[in-house]
Amino acid sequence: GQNIDQPTEMTATEGAIVQINCTYQTSGFNGLFWYQQHAGEAPTFLSYNVLDGLEEKGRFSSFLSRSKGYSYLLLKELQMKDSASYLCAVYQAGTALIFGKGTTLSVSS
Amino acid sequence: DVKVTQSSRYLVKRTGEKVFLECVQDMDHENMFWYRQDPGLGLRLIYFSYDVKMKEKGDIPEGYSVSREKKERFSLILESASTNQTSMYLCASSLPGQMNTEAFFGQGTRLTVV
Repeated sequence: GQNIDQPTEMTATEGAIVQINCTYQTSGFNGLFWYQQHAGEAPTFLSYNVLDGLEEKGRFSSFLSRSKGYSYLLLKELQMKDSASYLCAVYQAGTALIFGKGTTLSVSS
Repeated sequence: DVKVTQSSRYLVKRTGEKVFLECVQDMDHENMFWYRQDPGLGLRLIYFSYDVKMKEKGDIPEGYSVSREKKERFSLILESASTNQTSMYLCASSLPGQMNTEAFFGQGTRLTVV
């Protein structure tokens, strides 16, 4: 079976730091992806982790612990344009990207 | 620039109609996927394909079929549309292999079945 959990909603203010957590239980693991999706638009790729540790890409960082089945996406220096849904997805061996239900982040001024 | 194109942005169909959703990618990707996205349920995998004429069921294949006659094109078919198939449908493609296979998404087709 497979299960990917992330919070439904989060709120934060401009300039702040926010951490979006994702826990997963899947049969087989070939990497974890984070996608950003603005309302009415297609998801776009943010980050990829296959080994334990932190991957940094500008204001965005993603962390993975395979032994704990846990990842987080860290967004720094939040901007209004970061208001979007953030999707955690696991690539299972022999199958396809399986997504969590997404976390809707609202950034206020 | 990579591109996944879905034939329609919005569609309205009647219950019982046969519906075709088309997806074309220009990246020479082997893998193609169909998802539906519903509020509170996230993206759910309907079908995927690793090669021409090859298809695999995802988590929710009931009521759907697919066709992959050419590498660049992956079609989703609703044999007899029902109101519970009203949803946003997203097509995606990726390179083969098991590592770092980032999926690129089309803009989505919002289907309403009345």
